[in-house]
Amino acid sequence: LAKTTQPISMDSYEGQEVNITCSHNNIATNDYITWYQQFPSQGPRFIIQGYKTKVTNEVASLFIPADRKSSTLSLPRVSLSDTAVYYCLVGPEVNRDDKIIFGKGTRLHILP
Amino acid sequence: ETGVTQTPRHLVMGMTNKKSLKCEQHLGHNAMYWYKQSAKKPLELMFVYSLEERVENNSVPSRFSPECPNSSHLFLHLHTLQPEDSALYLCASSQGRGTASGNTIYFGEGSWLTVV
Repeated sequence: LAKTTQPISMDSYEGQEVNITCSHNNIATNDYITWYQQFPSQGPRFIIQGYKTKVTNEVASLFIPADRKSSTLSLPRVSLSDTAVYYCLVGPEVNRDDKIIFGKGTRLHILP
Repeated sequence: ETGVTQTPRHLVMGMTNKKSLKCEQHLGHNAMYWYKQSAKKPLELMFVYSLEERVENNSVPSRFSPECPNSSHLFLHLHTLQPEDSALYLCASSQGRGTASGNTIYFGEGSWLTVV
């Protein structure tokens, strides 16, 4: 499973766009990049997944450069309720051994 | 509502007690997981079951005993726990194992365990 590196914490203000970058230098050809969000006292929740270029859904966008050695989760116009821990996971296809290990994540704190 | 239900939500037990945590998923998934999350620590994977067969045990102490009677239910049996075992225990499920396209992992709301 590819090792990921994320900032430990970030602060931002309501209404701002927040970008959280994840480094995964040893990403393999078959690896996908997945982001989860965890609120206090709850289990993580899937946000977005991608393989290359850009993916967008109703919650966020995921930007992946051509070399795929990093990825950026973009949250548009954040609100106080976006305060959470955000995890970046990189892993192989479903039929191979994979433990779905979560790292320390990025603790995002949105200020009023 | 994620389709993964955990009971009880809160549990207080003594070090000599025996209790169980229960998890049920209504998503038709083939893989189920137990994770442990202590205060301000990363999620720790404890057990993985795929098609009711245990495929991973991350060196968890024997005082934690999982049981997966079918693909929809997962139990974590607890006995002679220690105070440091107090944590949030999260159950999760996914269609398959791994983080490939479409294989999202769904978590329950967790069971808060306090060992006194």
